[in-house]
Amino acid sequence: DGGITQSPKYLFRKEGQNVTLSCEQNLNHDAMYWYRQDPGQGLRLIYYSQIVNDFQKGDIAEGYSVSREKKESFPLTVTSAQKNPTAFYLCASSRQGGPNEQFFGPGTRLTVL
Amino acid sequence: GDSVTQMEGPVTLSEEAFLTINCTYTATGYPSLFWYVQYPGEGLQLLLKATKADDKGSNKGFEATYRKETTSFHLEKGSVQVSDSAVYFCALIWETQKVTFGIGTKLQVIP
Repeated sequence: DGGITQSPKYLFRKEGQNVTLSCEQNLNHDAMYWYRQDPGQGLRLIYYSQIVNDFQKGDIAEGYSVSREKKESFPLTVTSAQKNPTAFYLCASSRQGGPNEQFFGPGTRLTVL
Repeated sequence: GDSVTQMEGPVTLSEEAFLTINCTYTATGYPSLFWYVQYPGEGLQLLLKATKADDKGSNKGFEATYRKETTSFHLEKGSVQVSDSAVYFCALIWETQKVTFGIGTKLQVIP
């Protein structure tokens, strides 16, 4: 079945450590996105990529980094510079030539201790 | 800039009650409008959409009509079930794929 996978489902890290969240899609979509979800704030866009080897900052990119070396993969690194990293992180993908539905992964809940 | 306004809730209803979740938007132009649903611990799934004024999107008993004159896209269902308990997000999407989400409305349906 086609879809988006995110791993792990739950992730715990100590303060000051970088951590990388995985996102893989087999939908053959060109565009991929990372969102952060916090209670009462909806979804906020961290980074997005419309094509391999290219990505743009979203609304809250500070303290995060991404790469897009393959069409299928868009990993997100939460660095130690992110002041409040504990959150639910969602990856999504879509076809280009919108407006198109975004397909979401199941999410990763990151807790920084 | 663009914005989407919806109440955070929770909205609590008894099973078989009528549901309305309001969504209004501010945008320059005519974006497409979407409703997504998020069940506990999961990602978002598309529920329905409308791409132009007066279009009605429908799915699984849910409906919403794109009202240009009131800049609204209210979600309705005639008879809710316990399984409809989730968080519902209204979103506007441009052809550039730029998306603005509302904060999400939590629905709790009690038996």
